[in-house]
Amino acid sequence: SQQGEEDPQALSIQEGENATMNCSYKTSINNLQWYRQNSGRGLVHLILIRSNEREKHSGRLRVTLDTSKKSSSLLITASRAADTASYFCATDAPNAGGTSYGKLTFGQGTILTVHP
Amino acid sequence: DAGVIQSPRHEVTEMGQEVTLRCKPISGHNSLFWYRQTMMRGLELLIYFNNNVPIDDSGMPEDRFSAKMPNASFSTLKIQPSEPRDSAVYFCASKSEFTEAFFGQGTRLTVV
Repeated sequence: SQQGEEDPQALSIQEGENATMNCSYKTSINNLQWYRQNSGRGLVHLILIRSNEREKHSGRLRVTLDTSKKSSSLLITASRAADTASYFCATDAPNAGGTSYGKLTFGQGTILTVHP
Repeated sequence: DAGVIQSPRHEVTEMGQEVTLRCKPISGHNSLFWYRQTMMRGLELLIYFNNNVPIDDSGMPEDRFSAKMPNASFSTLKIQPSEPRDSAVYFCASKSEFTEAFFGQGTRLTVV
């Protein structure tokens, strides 16, 4: 089953607008992370929110987590053309023994296009 | 630190040939992950190591795939024999207990 499914699949906005991406997952988690990927490049870590946290901020990024609904959202405020990229949520879930080595399960991602 | 280093960046090979992808994790990181990214299946975890020991290889698609981590500073992912459906971007990532995962730039593999 797919863990970490994002919507929308694609989002197109104008510079200065806010962009909101949502992520749903299926199992219990230790934490949820958001990554960014520019075309043809590797993934860059943006922010991590732990299962006991509800909201976290980092610069223009705001992440929320609702463990009862198994969902998270990433808000990018005052978007810039340079924010154009794919954004992925990834869940870090405990294995059967309750431990976690930090393995991540990724969603399909949201392609964000910010027009100047 | 130069980050996670993967080589080669691009690989084009013929079906049936052996392919070896290489990864140098960030010094001090004790967990290493191999992921594969395709348009159809997205990012899939293939295998991961902790302290050089393979922990879970359930994501390795077939016996044609194998991975090793002979020491803390080097890992390989080998495909033998390669097939066109193996074409993808393969990412290596490393992390320590106290950091997030850092990804390499990936190896774009094309099997013709």
